[in-house]
Parts: sequence; structure tokens; C-alpha cells
Amino acid sequence: DGGITQSPKYLFRKEGQNVTLSCEQNLNHDAMYWYRQDPGQGLRLIYYSQIVNDFQKGDIAEGYSVSREKKESFPLTVTSAQKNPTAFYLCASSETYSNQPQHFGDGTRLSIL
Amino acid sequence: SQQGEEDPQALSIQEGENATMNCSYKTSINNLQWYRQNSGRGLVHLILIRSNEREKHSGRLRVTLDTSKKSSSLLITASRAADTASYFCATVWFSSGSARQLTFGSGTQLTVLP
Repeated sequence: DGGITQSPKYLFRKEGQNVTLSCEQNLNHDAMYWYRQDPGQGLRLIYYSQIVNDFQKGDIAEGYSVSREKKESFPLTVTSAQKNPTAFYLCASSETYSNQPQHFGDGTRLSIL
Repeated sequence: SQQGEEDPQALSIQEGENATMNCSYKTSINNLQWYRQNSGRGLVHLILIRSNEREKHSGRLRVTLDTSKKSSSLLITASRAADTASYFCATVWFSSGSARQLTFGSGTQLTVLP
């Protein structure tokens, strides 16, 4: 079945540690996105990629980094510079970076130890 | 910010009743999309309505769009317990040049009581 796989489902970060969240899609979509969701809130865009080897900052990119070396993969690193990383992280993809509907993974919940 | 705002923030109804959620936004849009999110899961796309459309149906879902009032509504008819979820509107709008942005509202939490 085609879809988006995020791993791990739960992740814990120690002080000063960088952690990487995985996002893989087999939908052959060009565009991929990372969102952050805080309790009772909507989604805020962290980074997006319109095509492989390209990515752009979203609204809240500080303290995060991404790469897009393969079409199917768009990992997100939460760096130690992100002082409030506790949140639910969602990865999404769409056929192109346009007005198409986005397909979402089931998220990674990140907490601080 | 272009972010849409849903109203109400929370809605509780009995099974079989209709549920109506509203979304307001600030600037001109290309289209508006509705998504559902079950607790602890990702979002699922429900329906897309373009700026030149006024109404769209999909099964028990009915979406309206009023661009003059910059608002949209989602109606779920004959609700079921399985419809319990958060519902988000998302607007697609143009930023500088031809770039498009998809911006999500803060959602309506719908609870359908059996």
C-alpha cells in the first residue's frame, strides 16, 4: 500500500542532544513537508521541499534542519538549539508543491527527558 | 497571518444529529481544504473546494464556500460515533511570486455521543 511512514512513533531527547525523525513515502510525490503540532493547536510549517535536493524554511524553522537527498525521504533533525521541542511532529507529501491535498504520516511524539 | 480560524473550538452532539463547523480566513485563496484528525494520528484529507465553487458534496459531507465573507462551513449529516475527531480547515493562498502556502486553522474538536 502507498503511504507515508514516520518513525519512531515516540522519541525522547536529552538536554543538548540532536535527534532525527524519519519520514519515508512511496507515493512518488515530489513535495514533502514537516509540521509541528502543539496540544489543542493547528499545524505550523517547519520546512518543505518542492523537489529532491531542494528545501525551504517554513514559519518556524529555527532549531530544525532537514535534507532531501532522495525523493522518498525527508528526515527532520531537531537540534539542541530548539529550546522547546516537545510536540507532535507530522510529515506530509503531495504530488507537487501546489494546491494539491496533502497525505500525512501518523506522526512522531517527541518529549524531553 | 492567513491562518484560518475554526468555530466552534469544540462541539458535542448526539449520534444521528448533524454537525456544522465553520472556518474563516483573511486573504484571497486559491482553494480551501478540510481535514480530519483522529486522536494521536495524522491528518486525513476530506474535501477540497476551489475559490470559484460555492458548494461541494462527498458522501455525508457538505462544504460551502463564501468568498465574499471569507468563510467556509463543513456539515456532517447523520453523525456517527466514528466521526469523533478534530476537523481542520486549510487554505491555499499565494505568497510572493507564484509560491503557494497551505495554512491550517486550530481545529474543531467534534465529539459524537452514542
